[in-house]
Amino acid sequence: EIVMTQSPATLSVSPGERATLSCRASQSVISKLAWYQQKPGQAPRLLIYDASTRATGIPGRFSGSGSGTEFTLTISSLQSEDFAVYYCQHYFNWPQTFGQGTKLEIK
Amino acid sequence: EVQLVESGGGLVQPGGSLRLSCAASGFSFSLSWMSWVRQVPGKGLEWVANIRQDGSDKFYEDSVMGRFTISRDNAKNSLYLQLDSLRPEDTAMYYCAKDHTVFGVIDSWGQGTLVTVSS
Repeated sequence: EIVMTQSPATLSVSPGERATLSCRASQSVISKLAWYQQKPGQAPRLLIYDASTRATGIPGRFSGSGSGTEFTLTISSLQSEDFAVYYCQHYFNWPQTFGQGTKLEIK
Repeated sequence: EVQLVESGGGLVQPGGSLRLSCAASGFSFSLSWMSWVRQVPGKGLEWVANIRQDGSDKFYEDSVMGRFTISRDNAKNSLYLQLDSLRPEDTAMYYCAKDHTVFGVIDSWGQGTLVTVSS
């Protein structure tokens, strides 16, 4: 099973600033990496797949990069609605595993 | 608009069974891989099982293999998860999920149904 490790566990950023979240895979997943956002009491929402492709309806301030074992989700200018928990997930093989999440909180 | 509505969760004793259902609408259900993903309250996400469009292929997470069964009825636009031999560690919110055209990516989620395994 591929283990996904996200860092940091919690990230404090001020509105309007840039946030950078990291995800590392225990072995290469090439570009088969997705990012999801989850707000309290809600189901997750797909943001990015194939490491860098934005899902339908996702604002341009969200961008993904990386390949192999190292990935990054960048939110260029944080809006109030962006404060949430973010999960990465690989789909290179079964089981498709998630990282433990990064909580993005208001500084 | 894609809608996924789960039902069937509840409180069950260890060793007991439950059947979760998911009613799907707003998309071509018979053309989509479907999945169940669970989340322990306050914790992370775990893929439980998924099923091919025609039901011919099914994949399970190791800890549920032999205890949970995923199935679907394309005529009823419905997805199911039979949970047997339940353990306290199966306590979680169970989400019905629709796979993206990119296999392994989830593009739509239900609101979840809570399963609590406790005596």
